[in-house]
Amino acid sequence: DARVTQTPRHKVTEMGQEVTMRCQPILGHNTVFWYRQTMMQGLELLAYFRNRAPLDDSGMPKDRFSAEMPDATLATLKIQPSEPRDSAVYFCASGRPGEQYFGPGTRLTVT
Amino acid sequence: KNEVEQSPQNLTAQEGEFITINCSYSVGISALHWLQQHPGGGIVSLFMLSSGKKKHGRLIATINIQEKHSSLHITASHPRDSAVYICAVSRANFGNEKLTFGTGTRLTIIP
Repeated sequence: DARVTQTPRHKVTEMGQEVTMRCQPILGHNTVFWYRQTMMQGLELLAYFRNRAPLDDSGMPKDRFSAEMPDATLATLKIQPSEPRDSAVYFCASGRPGEQYFGPGTRLTVT
Repeated sequence: KNEVEQSPQNLTAQEGEFITINCSYSVGISALHWLQQHPGGGIVSLFMLSSGKKKHGRLIATINIQEKHSSLHITASHPRDSAVYICAVSRANFGNEKLTFGTGTRLTIIP
C-alpha cells in the first residue's frame, strides 16, 4: 500500500534553530507539494515541484524557508532560523494529474 | 473575502441523518476537491470533480460550475464520519495543481 512518508512526525525546537523536514513521495508521482496548517490560517500551499523542478514557492517566506528535491525520492523543507510563528503542522503531498495523496504531517513547535 | 467559502463551519447531527456540506468559490477553476481530515490529523482526498456528480459508498459530491457551488452529502451518517471536511479548488490546466482551501467544516455525528 503506497503512501507518502514524512519525518520527523513531531519536532520541538528553540527559536533560532534550523529545522529540516523530509518527505518521501509515492514512487511514480511527478508532483510534490508542501502545505502548512495552522488554526488561524488553515491549510496553505507553501511550494510545489513537478518532475523535481520548483514550480511555485510564492507561499513561502523566502528569507527563512527553502524547499528542495535533491532526487525523485526525497523532498525537503528547511526553516532557518525558526521562529515561534512557524509552529504548525507541515504536510507533504504527492500526486499525478487527478489525484493527490497527503503524508501524515510533521507537527512543529518552536519555543 | 476568501476565494473558497464553506458552510456550515460546524455541524452536529445524530447518527443516520443525511448530511450536506456546502462550498462556494469565486474564481474560475479546473477542478474542485473534497478532503477529509480525521481527528488524528491525517488528510484523505475524497473526490476530485470538474462537473456533475461522483459517488463513493455513502458519500456523494456534486458540482454546479455555472453557480460556482459544490455540495458534499453523506447518507446514513455514522460516528466514524466525524471529521473536518475541506473543500479546495485548483485553477491550472490539470486538476492536480496548486490548491486553494476553504476553512473546513467540522462534522460531529452523535451515536
